Amino acid sequence: DGGITQSPKYLFRKEGQNVTLSCEQNLNHDAMYWYRQDPGQGLRLIYYSQIVNDFQKGDIAEGYSVSREKKESFPLTVTSAQKNPTAFYLCASSPVAGGTDTQYFGPGTRLTVL
Amino acid sequence: DQQVKQNSPSLSVQEGRISILNCDYTNSMFDYFLWYKKYPAEGPTFLISISSIKDKNEDGRFTVFLNKSAKHLSLHIVPSQPGDSAVYFCAASHNTDKLIFGTGTRLQVFP
Repeated sequence: DGGITQSPKYLFRKEGQNVTLSCEQNLNHDAMYWYRQDPGQGLRLIYYSQIVNDFQKGDIAEGYSVSREKKESFPLTVTSAQKNPTAFYLCASSPVAGGTDTQYFGPGTRLTVL
Repeated sequence: DQQVKQNSPSLSVQEGRISILNCDYTNSMFDYFLWYKKYPAEGPTFLISISSIKDKNEDGRFTVFLNKSAKHLSLHIVPSQPGDSAVYFCAASHNTDKLIFGTGTRLQVFP
């Protein structure tokens, strides 16, 4: 059963702590993405990766870090430098990097920083 | 600068009638457009797309229209069903690996 998994679905952290969100895909997709959704706003791109061991900043990368050591995994770390970390985080993948490839999304992780 | 705009945050439609969701964009270089549907606390799911070489694409109850001169696209759902109640995002790209998303329109289909 192919797809994208994100865990956990809900995550709570204290202010000042780093937290890592998991994203795994078994679709054999080359490209992976992280978005954040806030109320009343569209999906905003945090980081994306077109290939293993390579990634680029999106529009709102400050306070976040990623790694792409394996094709199927693209974890996102929300650091203490991120000023407003509470949000709904969505991971996506596409067969190859390119706007004409549909992106497939995971179920999302809601992060709440207390 | 919001390159993709969905100016209606919400829309309410009676079951069986047509739902029309609108999306405007500012970047004339965009050449591929998509619509996604999102339920609360879930990831968006792909609905339908259209390339800039077309002005219409149809898939079952869903039709997307593209007006390049007006930089406007719309999603028509007919007939609307209660299960269509969700947030709809349009997205656009210019042959890059980045999709630019609109802010979404919440559609509610009532009996």
